[in-house]
Amino acid sequence: EPEVTQTPSHQVTQMGQEVILRCVPISNHLYFYWYRQILGQKVEFLVSFYNNEISEKSEIFDDQFSVERPDGSNFTLKIRSTKLEDSAMYFCASSETGDSNQPQHFGDGTRLSIL
Amino acid sequence: AQKVTQAQTEISVVEKEDVTLDCVYETRDTTYYLFWYKQPPSGELVFLIRRNSFDEQNEISGRYSWNFQKSTSSFNFTITASQVVDSAVYFCALMGRLAYNTDKLIFGTGTRLQVFP
Repeated sequence: EPEVTQTPSHQVTQMGQEVILRCVPISNHLYFYWYRQILGQKVEFLVSFYNNEISEKSEIFDDQFSVERPDGSNFTLKIRSTKLEDSAMYFCASSETGDSNQPQHFGDGTRLSIL
Repeated sequence: AQKVTQAQTEISVVEKEDVTLDCVYETRDTTYYLFWYKQPPSGELVFLIRRNSFDEQNEISGRYSWNFQKSTSSFNFTITASQVVDSAVYFCALMGRLAYNTDKLIFGTGTRLQVFP
């Protein structure tokens, strides 16, 4: 069964450094998402992306965050200058359509640790 | 605003017991969707079920069943004859599309289920 893949599985970065989290959505999916889960807390929406532009973002997704689909397969989340509070599990998700006829399928996540 | 409440933070049962995980939601949307995801200790999020607001029929899939009650805004999840492999955090999620013009998932805080042998 096709799946969403995320790399790396674990990223350790010094505070203030830039980090790029990578995702390969399911190939025929058109809608892409990033969510964040701080350890022991709920999963929170960050941003949705469709047709090469952001369709929605949360208040968490401030100017230090950006997303990009640099080629036909990858979908990246960049954090420009990381802070300690950015430490979390970051999930990429994709869906075939942007409505709920198709569920969002999640990758296994990237655990980001900021030192 | 849209909100999902999972009041049970943690539940512990012994193998073969039945267990019900509660989920209560709030939305002013007339068309919305409810989901359950499982997060095992390895950390990934596994999709379990999607239900739309027009379909109140209960669903059964093997040992899993879901009870959607629109009148009480609840979408509860029951595991029958629980097994150790069911140990995970279970998240209920909501997507209210029309009123909010969004396709983001709103998650509850999760219920940690521990099944002991």
